[in-house]
Amino acid sequence: EPEVTQTPSHQVTQMGQEVILRCVPISNHLYFYWYRQILGQKVEFLVSFYNNEISEKSEIFDDQFSVERPDGSNFTLKIRSTKLEDSAMYFCASGPLTGVDTEAFFGQGTRLTVV
Amino acid sequence: AQKITQTQPGMFVQEKEAVTLDCTYDTSDPSYGLFWYKQPSSGEMIFLIYQGSYDQQNATEGRYSLNFQKARKSANLVISASQLGDSAMYFCAMREGGYQKVTFGTGTKLQVIP
Repeated sequence: EPEVTQTPSHQVTQMGQEVILRCVPISNHLYFYWYRQILGQKVEFLVSFYNNEISEKSEIFDDQFSVERPDGSNFTLKIRSTKLEDSAMYFCASGPLTGVDTEAFFGQGTRLTVV
Repeated sequence: AQKITQTQPGMFVQEKEAVTLDCTYDTSDPSYGLFWYKQPSSGEMIFLIYQGSYDQQNATEGRYSLNFQKARKSANLVISASQLGDSAMYFCAMREGGYQKVTFGTGTKLQVIP
């Protein structure tokens, strides 16, 4: 069964450094998403991406964050100048369509720890 | 106001028993979808079941069913014949018409007791 793949599974970075989280969405999907989950808290939407541009973003997704689809298969989240509070599980998701009846298929997550 | 409310932070259930996890939602949009996801201790998010706002019947997927009461704006997940592997966090979520984001509740931690 096709799945969303995220790398690395765990990343530790120094405060102030830049990190890139990588995702390979399901191949025929058109919509891509990033969510984050701070430990013990709920999952929060960050951004959605369609047709090579951001289609929706939350207030969390400020200038510190950017997304890119550098080639036909990868989807990346870049976090510049990381802060301690950026420590969280980051989930990539993809979907074939968008609409109220379309579930998002999630990757296994990247646990980011900022020290 | 919270879009998705899950009032049970933790639940216990005996193995082989049924359990209901509560979820209420808040939207003024007539078109929306409700989802339940399971998050085991390993961390991944697993899609379980979907209910559309216009669906006349409650959704079912194997041992999972969704008790959808539209007038009450509730979408409770029922797990029948609980298994030890059902121990996990369960998140209720909603996508409203015209939006791509899915909004999650705070989750319910279910523990199945042998």
